[in-house]
Amino acid sequence: QVQLVESGGGVVQPGRSLRLSCAASGFTFRTYGMHWVRQAPGKGLEWVAVISYDGRDKYYGDSVKGRFTISRDNSKNTLYLQMDSLRPEDTAVYYCAKDAVAVTGELDYWGQGTLVTVSS
Amino acid sequence: QSALTQPASVSGSPGQSVTISCTGTSSDVGGYNFVSWYQQRPGKAPKLIVYDVSNRPSGVSDRFSGSKSGNTASLTISGLQAEDEADYYCSSYRTTNTRVFGGGTKLTVL
Repeated sequence: QVQLVESGGGVVQPGRSLRLSCAASGFTFRTYGMHWVRQAPGKGLEWVAVISYDGRDKYYGDSVKGRFTISRDNSKNTLYLQMDSLRPEDTAVYYCAKDAVAVTGELDYWGQGTLVTVSS
Repeated sequence: QSALTQPASVSGSPGQSVTISCTGTSSDVGGYNFVSWYQQRPGKAPKLIVYDVSNRPSGVSDRFSGSKSGNTASLTISGLQAEDEADYYCSSYRTTNTRVFGGGTKLTVL
């Protein structure tokens, strides 16, 4: 069965960096686009970024563009999110999710999320 | 990036039907048939319940149905059950390969 397991969350000071990982199993990782979606405490879902199956195409939400970088290692079945210049408003649970198609499909499987807290 | 507009809350009694609306623009909901809906129970990850406006993934109850008219998509839950109490989010593909979510709707089963 499809499994997505995020890791790398924690407490970080404003302005610092953090890298999240998402280990995928149960499907052919290298053939699907992958997303990051976040949810601030008590708030709704916010789409963060998507990467194509081969890593060539990447798209970002306006609030993270220029600060966050999505990447993947298909040899390790792992998705990443490099987060730089972190701000308190980046505090959220970060979910990785599989695209059902490429980059335009629905998000058909989600991980359980990892909490990132940006605070001094 | 403005979020799609959903009502903050809806409610209904067991056995009734409720409809949750999701309003966007011609750059997202109105321009593409890539609207999906997600159910999120407290402390859990979102779960896909409708995709491509009106399709249900395998295993999702047929009590959940989706539709779209112009820039507004809708999710209807018929035969309400206590287990349907959750937050519901719509999402749409948006021009330039980005995505947008609605603000979420809390469903209360009375």
